[in-house]
Amino acid sequence: GAVVSQHPSWVICKSGTSVKIECRSLDFQATTMFWYRQFPKQSLMLMATSNEGSKATYEQGVEKDKFLINHASLTLSTLTVTSAHPEDSSFYICSAIIAGADTQYFGPGTRLTVL
Amino acid sequence: QKEVEQDPGPLSVPEGAIVSLNCTYSNSAFQYFMWYRQYSRKGPELLMYTYSSGNKEDGRFTAQVDKSSKYISLFIRDSQPSDSATYLCAMSVLGTGNQFYFGTGTSLTVIP
Repeated sequence: GAVVSQHPSWVICKSGTSVKIECRSLDFQATTMFWYRQFPKQSLMLMATSNEGSKATYEQGVEKDKFLINHASLTLSTLTVTSAHPEDSSFYICSAIIAGADTQYFGPGTRLTVL
Repeated sequence: QKEVEQDPGPLSVPEGAIVSLNCTYSNSAFQYFMWYRQYSRKGPELLMYTYSSGNKEDGRFTAQVDKSSKYISLFIRDSQPSDSATYLCAMSVLGTGNQFYFGTGTSLTVIP
């Protein structure tokens, strides 16, 4: 099956710093990638949809200047949490879909802890 | 009304039991249906996907879609402790590519 990786798997940072999370499709080209946030025992919350070569589309209530998304290639999308605060602590998960298909493949997630 | 409704549980069953997980939806345009399994602190893993109505079987798992009732199910036979996880249903309109709708997930515990 299609494999999506994320790096890092867990990051701890100080309040006010920026953190970059990478999402890679390892064995397929992904024209579209999604970024989700998940709080403990809650469902996935879609943050933004990222299409290769164009600006990301953010969901209502998600600050685009705080959560910078770059989808520079067909296999890589990055999410940068700028000036992170403790309330940004969460589990961030990316997913990707194969061009022309309708199935999302998820990465393993990145746990962000902001002190 | 939410696009997709899923009972969050929790659901607790003894090992070997048959588990039935369900979702209902409101958009009759949905044609593509998926079930994901998510272990604690892991990303969701695609279990099954089906197009339109009917059944699909894969080992101990059977996905069932009833478009007339706007109802989908995932059955797990001979449940194992390793099946303990949260199960998410998802669906989309074919060809849209970017619009997926997820259920809130059902937490399942299989007791040895």
